[in-house]
Amino acid sequence: QKEVEQNSGPLSVPEGAIASLNCTYSDRGSQSFFWYRQYSGKSPELIMSIYSNGDKEDGRFTAQLNKASQYVSLLIRDSQPSDSATYLCAVKISGGYNKLIFGAGTRLAVHP
Amino acid sequence: DGGITQSPKYLFRKEGQNVTLSCEQNLNHDAMYWYRQDPGQGLRLIYYSQIVNDFQKGDIAEGYSVSREKKESFPLTVTSAQKNPTAFYLCASSIGGLGSYEQYFGPGTRLTVT
Repeated sequence: QKEVEQNSGPLSVPEGAIASLNCTYSDRGSQSFFWYRQYSGKSPELIMSIYSNGDKEDGRFTAQLNKASQYVSLLIRDSQPSDSATYLCAVKISGGYNKLIFGAGTRLAVHP
Repeated sequence: DGGITQSPKYLFRKEGQNVTLSCEQNLNHDAMYWYRQDPGQGLRLIYYSQIVNDFQKGDIAEGYSVSREKKESFPLTVTSAQKNPTAFYLCASSIGGLGSYEQYFGPGTRLTVT
């Protein structure tokens, strides 16, 4: 059974701080990784994708990938109360079709 | 405006009734997916379709059925055989093919069965 693990949280950070969200996965052959943001009662929204080892930056968001350790993380700089949401990590499993496995998500709370 | 629409937003049904959830996309995506989300759990794949007139079971297909007669549409029927149908149902689509794995979600349908 291929799995994606995330700490459920809540992760509480003060406004302006860096929030660090982590995800581990079991499928060593996975090559594609995604971060989604889901506000309460809403559907997930894709915020980052990463395919290569290292860092990928997009505005206040940085995704970090380490395939050897089977670890992917999301950093949110200058956290804002509007960043308060659940962040889902998704991993495309190795194989012939476009199946993503989702973690259960980490709830982030940014307090003023 | 390109996107994915799901209707209705909220749906209430009595136990024993079949119900069909609508999903339409105008993104010209080949692949479409149905997920179910329960509180505190990740998304679980019900069915997916990589191309018109073809679909495959996901991890939790029992009690569900789908059709893919048009590229734009991928309706999901929740049958009376589904033991615990109350959940948040999410439809997604992706370009399809190799190298394009980003999935984009519709707004979801919250189904309550009593």
